[in-house]
Amino acid sequence: SQTIHQWPATLVQPVGSPLSLECTVEGTSNPNLYWYRQAAGRGLQLLFYSVGIGQISSEVPQNLSASRPQDRQFILSSKKLLLSDSGFYLCACSPGQPEAFFGQGTRLTVV
Amino acid sequence: ILNVEQSPQSLHVQEGDSTNFTCSFPSSNFYALHWYRWETAKSPEALFVMTLNGDEKKKGRISATLNTKEGYSYLYIKGSQPEDSATYLCAHGSHTGNQFYFGTGTSLTVIP
Repeated sequence: SQTIHQWPATLVQPVGSPLSLECTVEGTSNPNLYWYRQAAGRGLQLLFYSVGIGQISSEVPQNLSASRPQDRQFILSSKKLLLSDSGFYLCACSPGQPEAFFGQGTRLTVV
Repeated sequence: ILNVEQSPQSLHVQEGDSTNFTCSFPSSNFYALHWYRWETAKSPEALFVMTLNGDEKKKGRISATLNTKEGYSYLYIKGSQPEDSATYLCAHGSHTGNQFYFGTGTSLTVIP
């Protein structure tokens, strides 16, 4: 079965600082990978998805970027954080079947 | 981006009451419909995956139905318990299977 490791669990960063959230997957090969965000009072929003190494699709224009340097590694980054980047970030993995598995999430607070 | 809508946004019920929520999605290019149970600061927990029109799934006191022709799914909880309190998310998978689009969720609070 798939295991998704996501870290850190919580993060407090000043406005203008960089961001790097990492997600790694075990137990499957060539999965689809996703980054989601839940902003305060809102539902889950799809930010990026990837169907393979180096292949990134963005769903919404934003201050963030994503990279997939290895098959089971997905990284969410920002060069300069904004207050509006605060939220709960979830990494998800789909092993090619119609289902998705999630990491534990990262609570990001930009101050 | 696929538009997935859930209603109601929040719900308070008494322990023992039965309840249901709605998930609406575009009926064209349907791939799969997912229901998740999500507690704050935890990973969403998969409840059901449904792919066929008319599908009905059941897990204990929770069940779900799917109508792909009209683009909706219902989630039912029979005899709600305080431990059922959570946000219930539905997600629609694109026809390529690569993207999952979530509704904003229904927040359920079961009052003892």
